[in-house]
Amino acid sequence: EVQLVEAGGGLVKPGGSLRLSCEASGFTFSDYSMNWVRQPPGKGLEWVASISSSASHIHYADSVKGRFTISRDKGQNSLFLQMNSLRAEDTAVYYCARDGVLATLDSWGQGTLVTVSS
Amino acid sequence: DIQLTQSPSFLSASVGDRVTITCRASHDISNYLAWYQQKPGKAPKLLIYAASTLQSGVPSRFSGSGSGTEFTLTITSLQPEDFATYSCQQLNRHPLTFGGGTKVEIK
Repeated sequence: EVQLVEAGGGLVKPGGSLRLSCEASGFTFSDYSMNWVRQPPGKGLEWVASISSSASHIHYADSVKGRFTISRDKGQNSLFLQMNSLRAEDTAVYYCARDGVLATLDSWGQGTLVTVSS
Repeated sequence: DIQLTQSPSFLSASVGDRVTITCRASHDISNYLAWYQQKPGKAPKLLIYAASTLQSGVPSRFSGSGSGTEFTLTITSLQPEDFATYSCQQLNRHPLTFGGGTKVEIK
């Protein structure tokens, strides 16, 4: 069974940093591209970043480019999101999600809440 | 960037109703469209990919159609467990984008 478990969310002040992690199990992590998707409270989904299976292709949403860094560790079967220069508008539940057929997001974690507030 | 516009944003329906949700793309995305279902407090769940292919395990009352810029998600006979928010996503090019969502509530 595919499992994705996010961790690392919490309360941080504007301008601060946070590192999210997503531990994967139940599939060969190194074979799949991975994504971060976020959802502000009461709002819709926003794709944040993608990383290919080999980490050779990385894409970011314009809203986080230059502030967030997606990475992965094959040995730990883990996906990461380093978030710097955080803003109030980054407040959201952050999900990690696996790329399935045609890059659809076929498996999701339960999410971790990031709150940016003074 | 490719914008996705969903309509309606809110829908009130009864059990057994046929429900149709539309997703319009600002540019031609061929069939690179997926639909997700999300219940409160839960992660989204993939329903349909490639505009019309049902994800494994998804009931056949769900169907998708369309290509290019106009797409629809249809639920032929709404069940109690179908009351949720539905979102479309384009996978044609980065940045990947989602529609604003359609909340389906019980009438």
